Amino acid sequence: GQQVMQIPQYQHVQEGEDFTTYCNSSTTLSNIQWYKQRPGGHPVFLIQLVKSGEVKKQKRLTFQFGEAKKNSSLHITATQTTDVGTYFCAGTNTGNQFYFGTGTSLTVIP
Amino acid sequence: DAGITQSPRHKVTETGTPVTLRCHQTENHRYMYWYRQDPGHGLRLIHYSYGVKDTDKGEVSDGYSVSRSKTEDFLLTLESATSSQTSVYFCAISDRQSYTEAFFGQGTRLTVV
Repeated sequence: GQQVMQIPQYQHVQEGEDFTTYCNSSTTLSNIQWYKQRPGGHPVFLIQLVKSGEVKKQKRLTFQFGEAKKNSSLHITATQTTDVGTYFCAGTNTGNQFYFGTGTSLTVIP
Repeated sequence: DAGITQSPRHKVTETGTPVTLRCHQTENHRYMYWYRQDPGHGLRLIHYSYGVKDTDKGEVSDGYSVSRSKTEDFLLTLESATSSQTSVYFCAISDRQSYTEAFFGQGTRLTVV
């Protein structure tokens, strides 16, 4: 079954609003990666988090890894139409197995 | 973009026929992966390879086989295609398993009728 769950599955926001997607695992993760897939495109790597409680920023994107290393979040501040796409998290469990989350599809309304 | 090419990009095939998808890389990465992407399921691992002739099953391997006779090529075969295998298939490569970024190919849209 799916090892890494992501919510929400879909999110519609007005341009300029913030957006957050959450990634949850039932088991401790060694690391978490985030990918973005534009409509009709392929997943593209955004970032990797490894340490408990780690926070990384890329311009308007903020990534967090939970203290227990079982959850992560991606927050986009002031969304733009270029942010449209599906965001996936992907985590490695202690058995060294790597699973993608179900993804969150973001629509930005101009 | 990393040097990774999938072929064909689109294919329509009939139920019961064999189908082979090809993934070719020019990055000399050790790990190669085949995923399928379906609505509501995200990306699910079919098979992966950690070297020439070294492969292992992923979470949805039933009905699929793979081969890697050269570092640069990873083939995915559907022995007898079924409608449930209609999907978008992505190949990915990475230098190390799990701890480095994966680079994805452009995808192959397969329709089984």
